[in-house]
Amino acid sequence: ETGVTQSPTHLIKTRGQQVTLRCSSQSGHNTVSWYQQALGQGPQFIFQYYREEENGRGNFPPRFSGLQFPNYSSELNVNALELDDSALYLCASSLAAGHPDGYTFGSGTRLTVV
Amino acid sequence: AQSVAQPEDQVNVAEGNPLTVKCTYSVSGNPYLFWYVQYPNRGLQFLLKYITGDNLVKGSYGFEAEFNKSQTSFHLKKPSALVSDSALYFCAVILGSARQLTFGSGTQLTVLP
Repeated sequence: ETGVTQSPTHLIKTRGQQVTLRCSSQSGHNTVSWYQQALGQGPQFIFQYYREEENGRGNFPPRFSGLQFPNYSSELNVNALELDDSALYLCASSLAAGHPDGYTFGSGTRLTVV
Repeated sequence: AQSVAQPEDQVNVAEGNPLTVKCTYSVSGNPYLFWYVQYPNRGLQFLLKYITGDNLVKGSYGFEAEFNKSQTSFHLKKPSALVSDSALYFCAVILGSARQLTFGSGTQLTVLP
């Protein structure tokens, strides 16, 4: 059983650019959630995907968008990058939204916007 | 508003002493509560959870937590702290229309040798 894998681990982008982060969910998990963790803060919920449909979104602007694929892997896209988008982006998968087994997290992608 | 809170940003404890990291919640109904740990530049690792049943939950690495419904708390505990326990600890609860995992602000635990 493989866990959650995220790529890339680190990247640096320039303000105004676009970025795509990728996540492979744990085997058997059909729900993927994305979180943004700024330095010194707790993870903030961006959105969640279940069976290729977004089924919940946190307080993030539309330039944050996502996809989920038939194999339940997922992408997070951020357009028009701002300096404040610099953060650790975490992906988590679960058997279902709110499942009592909880969520398995990847190691994250560290995004730096300069 | 429904939420989860960690009232202490920082907890320091001497190695070998018991440790407690506090968490309180404000959730209607029966909450699903979790503790995660994060080491520098790493993702979140699951420690333990409370879903139902026994109020004392045992988890990984010798950690345990006690669910207290009357005090709406879910404090993380360990009888004897190790230097290697030093990390950032997050309490979390399932909340919202998407039933997403919602985190507290985190507590930095430092175990002093």
